[in-house]
Amino acid sequence: DQQVKQNSPSLSVQEGRISILNCDYTNSMFDYFLWYKKYPAEGPTFLISISSIKDKNEDGRFTVFLNKSAKHLSLHIVPSQPGDSAVYFCAANTNSGYALNFGKGTSLLVTP
Amino acid sequence: EPEVTQTPSHQVTQMGQEVILRCVPISNHLYFYWYRQILGQKVEFLVSFYNNEISEKSEIFDDQFSVERPDGSNFTLKIRSTKLEDSAMYFCASSDTGWNQPQHFGDGTRLSIL
Repeated sequence: DQQVKQNSPSLSVQEGRISILNCDYTNSMFDYFLWYKKYPAEGPTFLISISSIKDKNEDGRFTVFLNKSAKHLSLHIVPSQPGDSAVYFCAANTNSGYALNFGKGTSLLVTP
Repeated sequence: EPEVTQTPSHQVTQMGQEVILRCVPISNHLYFYWYRQILGQKVEFLVSFYNNEISEKSEIFDDQFSVERPDGSNFTLKIRSTKLEDSAMYFCASSDTGWNQPQHFGDGTRLSIL
């Protein structure tokens, strides 16, 4: 059951431009959302999160936007750098559970 | 920066054998988790652990699986009688509180069942 969906398996962006990664969810009980970055042979690394009481959270080059009515969130990376090339996972959980529900990931390639 | 460490990085085991995967969570964290990722699939939750007991588990975490915190630093996942379909990357994670806090992951143990 796919409660968190990342419909773009891959994305290619030029260095210096904006990368926009998208995520949709179906469970209206989700109230905390996270983005993780994963390099090959490493575990997911936490990037940024957002609580459902907010619609935007920013940390340096990374901004997460949450649209609760559309059940959609996005991660913006500005400006994109070659080191950002990785797989990005969207995850979510409810305030009644501990389990993170992950999307399948989007592979981002930032080209020089 | 504190990190979650997992050993071994790769474990090869014969089907039917028991395997123990080990994790050292971040030292001041109180909540511990195991996830797995079968090749080509999404990361899936297995179990969460707090105050020396399981706080939540998924359907995947059946009687073949168990978790333990044998001392003040280690957190283990045991699979009693491994099956071919247990082959996956197993990730340990920890967080300082249970809700609205990020979980921090280790680099995983690749489990290969022959």
